[in-house]
Amino acid sequence: EVQLVQSGAEVKKPGESLKISCKGSGYNFTNFWLGWVRQMPGKGLECMGIIYPGDSDTRYSPSFQGQVTISADESISTAYLQWSSLRASDTAMYYCARLRLTTVTRAAFDIWGQGTMITVSS
Amino acid sequence: DIVMTQSPDSLAVSLGERATINCKSSQSVLYRSNNKNYLAWYQQKPGQPPKMIIYWASTRESGVPDRFSGSGSGTDFTLTISSLQAEDVAVYYCQQYYSTPPGTFGQGTKVEIK
Repeated sequence: EVQLVQSGAEVKKPGESLKISCKGSGYNFTNFWLGWVRQMPGKGLECMGIIYPGDSDTRYSPSFQGQVTISADESISTAYLQWSSLRASDTAMYYCARLRLTTVTRAAFDIWGQGTMITVSS
Repeated sequence: DIVMTQSPDSLAVSLGERATINCKSSQSVLYRSNNKNYLAWYQQKPGQPPKMIIYWASTRESGVPDRFSGSGSGTDFTLTISSLQAEDVAVYYCQQYYSTPPGTFGQGTKVEIK
């Protein structure tokens, strides 16, 4: 079964750092772009960026460039999303999702992780 | 950025009736070289991640009931649920993947039972 399994919910304080993960299984993790999508409470979906695990080529949406870092370790089929200094406005559900076509960036997200809820509060 | 605008924001439909959601992009998402529209539809039920139901504007994902259909080209698209079932209550999003990184989503349309 093709699936993405994300790390668990986190509660953090403003200014703290954080790295969440997304582990793929059931497919060749190296060959498919993988993206991160933010959903703030009660709001819609925003694509943050995508990464190609095979060579770590990363593309960020303009709104998220410089705000987060996307990385991947193909040896363990895992992608990451990290913050160096969290803000209250980072409180949201974060999903990882796979692009449905190998190697290309212009594709829909066909497989989604279960989501990781991040709460940032003092 | 390509802006996606859905209408309506919400709609209530009786069981067995048709539900229609519109999605408009600020620029064409039709790629002329392959004549494909880079447009997908997702369904998100409460407490669940989104689920892709339509891609290339009109191709149904495997396992998706045939009461769901997508149509349109260029800048104007429609998702139709031909006979609404109770399990279709959800928020539906369109997304363009013409620009990279993919891609911008519409604001969502909430479908409820009347």
